[in-house]
Amino acid sequence: NAGVTQTPKFQVLKTGQSMTLQCAQDMNHNSMYWYRQDPGMGLRLIYYSASEGTTDKGEVPNGYNVSRLNKREFSLRLESAAPSQTSVYFCASSETFRGSGRQVWQFFGPGTRLTVL
Amino acid sequence: QKEVEQNSGPLSVPEGAIASLNCTYSDRVSQSFFWYRQYSGKSPELIMSIYSNGDKEDGRFTAQLNKASQYVSLLIRDSQPSDSATYLCAVNGGNYGGSQGNLIFGKGTKLSVKP
Repeated sequence: NAGVTQTPKFQVLKTGQSMTLQCAQDMNHNSMYWYRQDPGMGLRLIYYSASEGTTDKGEVPNGYNVSRLNKREFSLRLESAAPSQTSVYFCASSETFRGSGRQVWQFFGPGTRLTVL
Repeated sequence: QKEVEQNSGPLSVPEGAIASLNCTYSDRVSQSFFWYRQYSGKSPELIMSIYSNGDKEDGRFTAQLNKASQYVSLLIRDSQPSDSATYLCAVNGGNYGGSQGNLIFGKGTKLSVKP
């Protein structure tokens, strides 16, 4: 049981290049998330997928696209990378939100450190 | 704009002391509260969850929730150098982003436990 896995671990891009960050979970979770973490800014939600077949924007979606390939996999694509997208990217997953008002916590992957020159 | 506020620190405590980490949140309808620990260069890992007013204890960790004051805290008893990390407070964002399942994270408090 690997939990949440992310590839690659590190990546350096030039401005304008594109790339896809991969994320997979083996916990049978319905919900998946992409965050970025910058010094002094905390974790900010980029996109999320509440269930297979659905995706929605989070707090900072500009410059990114996502694909929920199946229940296990949720990818993040940078179409034209910019230096402002230099960050650490975390993928997370959780069980479906419970209507009682109580949410199950999110499990995080190890992260991808991206540098855009 | 829903917010979760934490003192960024660093908070420095001697080994064996009690470390007290605090968090306030703005959304009164929030129902779920979490504390994550993040070591430098690593991903966040859950250490405590709390849903009801009062205290919840798990080993050396105690989470405290006061919904009336919109305040949640984490106490670490008998602090160890291995507890040195950044602690993130996360709050269920209610209707944030159109999904009640999303979390809003504070920026974290850096804790340093000195031997």
